[in-house]
Amino acid sequence: QSALTQPASVSGSPGQSITISCNGTTSDVGGYKHVSWYQQHPGKVPKLMIYDVINRPSGVSNRFSGSKSGNTASLTISGLQAEDEADYYCSSYTRSATVVFGGGTKVTVL
Amino acid sequence: QVQLQESGPGLVKPSQTLSLTCSVSGASINGGGFYWTWIRQVPGKGLEWIGNIRYSGITYYNPSLKSRATILVDASKTKFSLELSSVTAAETAVYYCARDDGGFGGMGVWGQGTSVTVSS
Repeated sequence: QSALTQPASVSGSPGQSITISCNGTTSDVGGYKHVSWYQQHPGKVPKLMIYDVINRPSGVSNRFSGSKSGNTASLTISGLQAEDEADYYCSSYTRSATVVFGGGTKVTVL
Repeated sequence: QVQLQESGPGLVKPSQTLSLTCSVSGASINGGGFYWTWIRQVPGKGLEWIGNIRYSGITYYNPSLKSRATILVDASKTKFSLELSSVTAAETAVYYCARDDGGFGGMGVWGQGTSVTVSS
């Protein structure tokens, strides 16, 4: 299975909104409503931010939102804050009943 | 509150088998529709899904591992394990165990990770 495609980096100023894309195929992102997003600060454990495309786990800020159109999923961070600076990974369920991750996106708060 | 803790050797020789255990506390492995998962991260690189297991014993693996991975649930139902055979130096990584709520990739609970170096 091929990794999902994410931009290597995205940046924004405090208060702005940024969007991270996650491109897959009809065998993964496009075929299922099972895209998740993870935040990972350096040296820390990944944290689930979004699951099933649009759902936020309890305790995750509503500044984080997910969406999907065709084979591309997106994570939007609104009201960007310094603490949002981290690596972000998307994942998707696949038609082989496995899970595939994206390559990761480094978010920088300017 | 569910907690996961990985354990195992920090050093494995090339061509040998890597063996790790994930201890589960605060929940039962055979409760609910959870899938118990292994993920790894090579230093400086991204996350790689290795595979998962449901309490029934059903397993799914990353096809790129070419059948070298085996995930099992311990008879006590409080631990699950990963065995990865014929390892190479490129598999030096932090290995995480996690709980996937439904098997679709939504891993809400993670262990702290354990660092494994493959070197002679």
